Amino acid sequence: NAGVMQNPRHLVRRRGQEARLRCSPMKGHSHVYWYRQLPEEGLKFMVYLQKENIIDESGMPKERFSAEFPKEGPSILRIQQVVRGDSAAYFCASSPDRTGYGEQYFGPGTRLTVT
Amino acid sequence: QKEVEQNSGPLSVPEGAIASLNCTYSDRGSQSFFWYRQYSGKSPELIMFIYSNGDKEDGRFTAQLNKASQYVSLLIRDSQPSDSATYLCAARGGFKTIFGAGTRLFVKA
Repeated sequence: NAGVMQNPRHLVRRRGQEARLRCSPMKGHSHVYWYRQLPEEGLKFMVYLQKENIIDESGMPKERFSAEFPKEGPSILRIQQVVRGDSAAYFCASSPDRTGYGEQYFGPGTRLTVT
Repeated sequence: QKEVEQNSGPLSVPEGAIASLNCTYSDRGSQSFFWYRQYSGKSPELIMFIYSNGDKEDGRFTAQLNKASQYVSLLIRDSQPSDSATYLCAARGGFKTIFGAGTRLFVKA
């Protein structure tokens, strides 16, 4: 049973370019969460999605960041016009249900470096 | 602002000792609680979750929950050097999970 998959594992972008990060949840999981982690810091919640719905995006910066989880295919976190401060590890997690205990399983992460 | 607080450490224990990691949370509506282990440069790995007051044991790990005190702990018995990592505490209320900043544990051989 494959775990949460993320790609790419490492992404290098120049300032001003766009970054697209992909996440495929575990089989049977319909809830996806995105987190950002700066070096030596904790996980910061960004957004929670279900298929075709954004449930909570209270942690997303208001500009340049967007997320989607289409009916078919992976969840996408998109960062437009990247800046150096966007350099971080971005983790995706999936959860089997919304009203249960809510344990989340994390993917390996995408390390974004903005040069 | 809902928060989960952890001592950042590092917590240093000798091999074979019991490591005790603590966490407090501010949201009384939190219903379930999680401990994750994160090695440097890796993603968080779920160790245990607990939702009822009391203790829950799994191998060398015991999670303890006291909702009245809003306190969660993780005990690691017979600590091994491979347990050296950052341990993240998380609290979930509704559909939102809040993570603490983590405690760094160092187990000396």
